[in-house]
Amino acid sequence: GENVEQHPSTLSVQEGDSAVIKCTYSDSASNYFPWYKQELGKRPQLIIDIRSNVGEKKDQRIAVTLNKTAKHFSLHITETQPEDSAVYFCAARSSASKIIFGSGTRLSIRP
Amino acid sequence: DGGITQSPKYLFRKEGQNVTLSCEQNLNHDAMYWYRQDPGQGLRLIYYSQIVNDFQKGDIAEGYSVSREKKESFPLTVTSAQKNPTAFYLCASRRGQGESPLHFGNGTRLTVT
Repeated sequence: GENVEQHPSTLSVQEGDSAVIKCTYSDSASNYFPWYKQELGKRPQLIIDIRSNVGEKKDQRIAVTLNKTAKHFSLHITETQPEDSAVYFCAARSSASKIIFGSGTRLSIRP
Repeated sequence: DGGITQSPKYLFRKEGQNVTLSCEQNLNHDAMYWYRQDPGQGLRLIYYSQIVNDFQKGDIAEGYSVSREKKESFPLTVTSAQKNPTAFYLCASRRGQGESPLHFGNGTRLTVT
């Protein structure tokens, strides 16, 4: 079946440095790749998404890249700040409306 | 997001009892989803529905059942057949056309003892 793998499971970076989270997906028919941020005790919130006809998308300090050939996509956060500390999930929309999530990355920003 | 309401926030049940989690949305979204979240794990898909009176199993549907009689409602029943029902349950919806994002409710934390 469809699968999304996410790495690393935990990530600690110095404030001001960059953070990169990577995901791979198994279904070559996947065409939509959202990223969600979940703060402790709260629901996941969409932070950025990318469609299969686009290779890269940026929104201020956040960027996502997609390599359809390798079935790989990544989240890049630059100039990290304390409020970036959270759990981040990648996801892929495969056949029909099925949306599968990765296992999550707990990002900690060190002051 | 006030558009998706899950109730209750906390739910406690005895083992062997069925329990139904409520999910209502006023966003006029066609598609609705149920995910389960366990500590340190991602969101695992239980069931999803693209239109009224139709739904599909996700990756961990065993021990769960759903109905979609109305566009705005997608209740999830956790049956006694579910071996490890204690978890955080998230409901979500999306427009259903094109590549639209999921909007999540605040979740229900179910504890079964």
